[in-house]
Amino acid sequence: VQLRESGPGLVKPSETLSLTCTVSGGSVSSDSSYWTWIRQPPGKGLEWIGYMSYTGSTNSNPSLKTRVTMSVDTSKNQFSLKLISVTAADTAVYYCAREYRNWLDPWGQGTLVTVSS
Amino acid sequence: QSVLTQPPSVSGAPGQRVTISCTGSSSNIGAGYDVHWYQQLPGTAPKLLIYRNNNRPSGVPDRFSGSTSGTSASLAITGLQAEDEADYHCQSFDSSLSGYVFGPGTKVTVL
Repeated sequence: VQLRESGPGLVKPSETLSLTCTVSGGSVSSDSSYWTWIRQPPGKGLEWIGYMSYTGSTNSNPSLKTRVTMSVDTSKNQFSLKLISVTAADTAVYYCAREYRNWLDPWGQGTLVTVSS
Repeated sequence: QSVLTQPPSVSGAPGQRVTISCTGSSSNIGAGYDVHWYQQLPGTAPKLLIYRNNNRPSGVPDRFSGSTSGTSASLAITGLQAEDEADYHCQSFDSSLSGYVFGPGTKVTVL
């Protein structure tokens, strides 16, 4: 299984960050997997954003819950993240990963999203 | 501020043994939730290194080992090599947050 993130690298403050993760070599419709987003601000540690199953059930970090929406497109074998009302504090490398029995493997290569006007 | 705590850095000479601690609480590691470790080489994405406390994925050298005790976990690297220079992150589940938590990461330097 391989994952690859895609989306704009620059987002203006107060706007919406939108990213997509394309899964290859496997299916997002797997019963045993949850599809996860993680971010890493420059020079800092990892922060779990949330995960979802292909059935649409989701769980997200309480600190981001009000701003996060996740969705899955089984026809394209993709899952997506939307983060509204972004600020400079949302500048980070965003990773998608597969969660299997509570561990994350594999990870995408990551994509840097900068929030700036 | 991370729910799990790790030392910012550890270092050792080639061939030495180093350990990285990951300290949690009664709502995560202490509650029996598994700890997983990831290796992040410079400029790359994290890679699974240890899963379910002490299991190595295929391809990970047996120089890497994990353990847990109480509210803490540890990652040990024996026979330290230059290629082990990286950031190491621990991860678990937290019942208070109902979600996954990471440590802040530990930078390993090979002297």
